[in-house]
Amino acid sequence: TQLLEQSPQFLSIQEGENLTVYCNSSSVFSSLQWYRQEPGEGPVLLVTVVTGGEVKKLKRLTFQFGDARKDSSLHITAAQPGDTGLYLCAGETSGSRLTFGEGTQLTVNP
Amino acid sequence: GAGVSQSPSNKVTEKGKDVELRCDPISGHTALYWYRQRLGQGLEFLIYFQGNSAPDKSGLPSDRFSAERTGESVSTLTIQRTQQEDSAVYLCASSLSRREQFFGPGTRLTVL
Repeated sequence: TQLLEQSPQFLSIQEGENLTVYCNSSSVFSSLQWYRQEPGEGPVLLVTVVTGGEVKKLKRLTFQFGDARKDSSLHITAAQPGDTGLYLCAGETSGSRLTFGEGTQLTVNP
Repeated sequence: GAGVSQSPSNKVTEKGKDVELRCDPISGHTALYWYRQRLGQGLEFLIYFQGNSAPDKSGLPSDRFSAERTGESVSTLTIQRTQQEDSAVYLCASSLSRREQFFGPGTRLTVL
């Protein structure tokens, strides 16, 4: 059972464009994390959101946790080629386990 | 070490052989996780160790998969009688807090 659905699965845009990636579930999570993974490496944590409705900003990246703590979004402003990578959302369930989405493969073309 | 290390980085094996994958967590991290990632997909939870508690093995896909951890140090994931469907990147992560996991670079397993 896939608890977390990410969309879109693939996204290819030009440098300078804005984009939003979505992470949706029917389950409630105590927290939700976003990771970025580059080829040949493990995922690296970008942010953790805990409170429903919470918004966090990390330079050009804005993360939002839904009011009901079932969904989240990642918005990137003025994307750059260095933003290219696989973006993964992960929801924290019981027992400190993380359930990962399938990921969004982002390509930013110069 | 500075981060989580895994070995080997790549492993090619023949169908039916056993393989052992190693993970060295960040020193002092009490929790250790193993995940499997198929090409272009998200991470599939396999097993979780927390201190001296019994591990959470609920993600292991079959009895061919097993893992051990000695105290709060090295962990080994063993896959017996490998199948082609086992081909994937196996990622290890360690953590001190519940919410931040630090990942190693993974072991890419190819079963011919």
